[in-house]
Amino acid sequence: QSALTQPPSASGSPGQSVTISCTGTNMNIGDYDFVSWYQQHPDKAPQLVIYEVSRRSSGVPDRFSGSKSGNTASLTVSGLRPEDEADYYCSSYAGTNSWVFGGGTKLTVL
Amino acid sequence: QLVESGGDLVQPGGSLRLSCEASDFTFGTYWMSWVRQAPGKGLEWVATIKQVEINERGYVDSVKGRFTISRDNARKSLFLQMDSLRADDTAIYYCVSHYGESAIEQHAFDVWGQGAKVTVSS
Repeated sequence: QSALTQPPSASGSPGQSVTISCTGTNMNIGDYDFVSWYQQHPDKAPQLVIYEVSRRSSGVPDRFSGSKSGNTASLTVSGLRPEDEADYYCSSYAGTNSWVFGGGTKLTVL
Repeated sequence: QLVESGGDLVQPGGSLRLSCEASDFTFGTYWMSWVRQAPGKGLEWVATIKQVEINERGYVDSVKGRFTISRDNARKSLFLQMDSLRADDTAIYYCVSHYGESAIEQHAFDVWGQGAKVTVSS
């Protein structure tokens, strides 16, 4: 049940695009198309952004997109806006009724 | 839609039972989980329980044998019995309902409660 690996920080200016990576193994991301992404603002509960690799959760703008290649999943935020500044976490199903999260990436909008 | 209760300060080795009450959705059809977040740290999956008719559960290795997840569909409630608590169990515990395009594959953590604070300290 090893955690997925995310960069601790990412940044971009308003209007730019930024991509956050999430690296796992062939026992989680590489074996299942059940990767999700979550946004968490300070002192708030997380919110689902992307599920099943690339499906946007209800109400999430199409500026957010997800993808996967091999053991690495990615979240891209296009047209950055100040309200996108938050912590982002990936998660993946890891088999046998278990799930694993990434360590989180703090996204700063410059 | 999900409201946790039962968080408290407890001594190492003690026990605590968290509850989560759901409203406004068909509770019984969804997988349910507990996810925790230690102070200043990231998210950690703790435990999941599937629908009653499937009767499957899963736990993170660090809580196996100490924590028990259960549900009462009639009361639209989820529980987490936590025994032999340790300092590293200190965290905010979120009650979460799952979602997926298929009812038999619900792998996204969809609706989150506001969290229950558990502090393990002497």
